[in-house]
Amino acid sequence: DSGVTQTPKHLITATGQRVTLRCSPRSGDLSVYWYQQSLDQGLQFLIHYYNGEERAKGNILERFSAQQFPDLHSELNLSSLELGDSALYFCASSEIGTSPLHFGNGTRLTVT
Amino acid sequence: ILNVEQSPQSLHVQEGDSTNFTCSFPSSNFYALHWYRWETAKSPEALFVMTLNGDEKKKGRISATLNTKEGYSYLYIKGSQPEDSATYLCASSSYNYGQNFVFGPGTRLSVLP
Repeated sequence: DSGVTQTPKHLITATGQRVTLRCSPRSGDLSVYWYQQSLDQGLQFLIHYYNGEERAKGNILERFSAQQFPDLHSELNLSSLELGDSALYFCASSEIGTSPLHFGNGTRLTVT
Repeated sequence: ILNVEQSPQSLHVQEGDSTNFTCSFPSSNFYALHWYRWETAKSPEALFVMTLNGDEKKKGRISATLNTKEGYSYLYIKGSQPEDSATYLCASSSYNYGQNFVFGPGTRLSVLP
C-alpha cells in the first residue's frame, strides 16, 4: 500500500460530460503529480502541485484543470469529455524534490 | 518539454539470464533520475533514486548506474527470474523544468521459465 488514495477506481461517462478525480497524498507529502496513461501509451505528465501551488504543467488540455486544497488533497477536473480522454489517470505524491513518487491505484475513465 | 527515451522497448529473456536496459535523458540542468518497476494491474513502485554523476545503486539482483554528463542510466538485472517480468520505467527531472518527473516509455521485460 503506497498510502496514496485515488477515488473513484472506475468512472464511466458520456461524451460532453464533466468528471472530477480525487487524490489524497501520502501523509506528509506536499507534492502531488497527475499522470495520464492512454492505451498503449506511457505515463504522460499532466500537472504538478506543491503545497497548494501549481508548479508546472505538462501536456494538459485546456479542458482539464486541477487544484490542491489546504489539506493537500488534489482534484483533477475533466470537462467536455471526448472519447480520446478514456485513460487511466494516476496520482502520485512525494515528500521533497528528489524523493521517489508514490502512486495511487489510478482511476480508469471510460468515455462512451 | 523533457524527452526521456528507453531502450529496448521490450525484451524476452530466459530464466537465469542477466540483462540490462538503457534510459536516455537530457544532461543539461539535471536534477534527479528515478527507476520504477510496474507490474501489470498494479501501480509503479520506485526502485532507485539517483542524483549524482557516477551513482551506483543496488537492490538484491537489480542495480543501476548513472551518467549525468552524457545523459544515460543503465538498469541491470542479474539472474532474471519470472517474477522480474514487468515494465521498467525511468523518470528524469531537470532544474529548468520545475523539477518535475517526466517518464520514459518503459522497457517491458518478460522472463521465460
